[in-house]
Amino acid sequence: GQSLEQPSEVTAVEGAIVQINCTYQTSGFYGLSWYQQHDGGAPTFLSYNALDGLEETGRFSSFLSRSDSYGYLLLQELQMKDSASYFCAVSRGSTLGRLYFGRGTQLTVWP
Amino acid sequence: KAGVTQTPRYLIKTRGQQVTLSCSPISGHRSVSWYQQTPGQGLQFLFEYFSETQRNKGNFPGRFSGRQFSNSRSEMNVSTLELGDSALYLCASSSVAGDENIQYFGAGTRLSVL
Repeated sequence: GQSLEQPSEVTAVEGAIVQINCTYQTSGFYGLSWYQQHDGGAPTFLSYNALDGLEETGRFSSFLSRSDSYGYLLLQELQMKDSASYFCAVSRGSTLGRLYFGRGTQLTVWP
Repeated sequence: KAGVTQTPRYLIKTRGQQVTLSCSPISGHRSVSWYQQTPGQGLQFLFEYFSETQRNKGNFPGRFSGRQFSNSRSEMNVSTLELGDSALYLCASSSVAGDENIQYFGAGTRLSVL
């Protein structure tokens, strides 16, 4: 089967940097994605890694180590609006619509 | 380009009833996936449809079913509702083309079973 582990909660203050880790166990791994979900909202895509290394998209970066079955999402210059749940998700193929999600990390940003 | 549209947004049903939820994917997307989200279980995969065929199915009882039409719109049906079916039901579409598997989610249908 598939399992993804990520912390349930993280707190930080505005302007800080926070890292949300994700470890996974899965067969047929293809890529690791990150999604953000505000309360009552739809999950929205943030970042995707298929190869080892760091992907940077503005204030957000995502890292993947396939050999360690590990990835993280790095959020810099935190803002209040970043308070949300963050999910890591594994895909087993580029043409397969199914994603396997972690339980999510609730990020709270304090002023 | 319009996003993924789910209707209705909110639904209240009683135990034993059945319900049908609708999802219109992003234009050009042929893959539609459905997820159930609850506080206790997180995002759980229900099924995926591609070109009117169910391609993947999660571990849900047969009361949960779905279908996809030729225009890629999808519906899911839950029969004989139980209290535990109360959840946010999310639909996601993807183009399943290229190197990335990016899913675009609708706002969801929040189902309450009384």
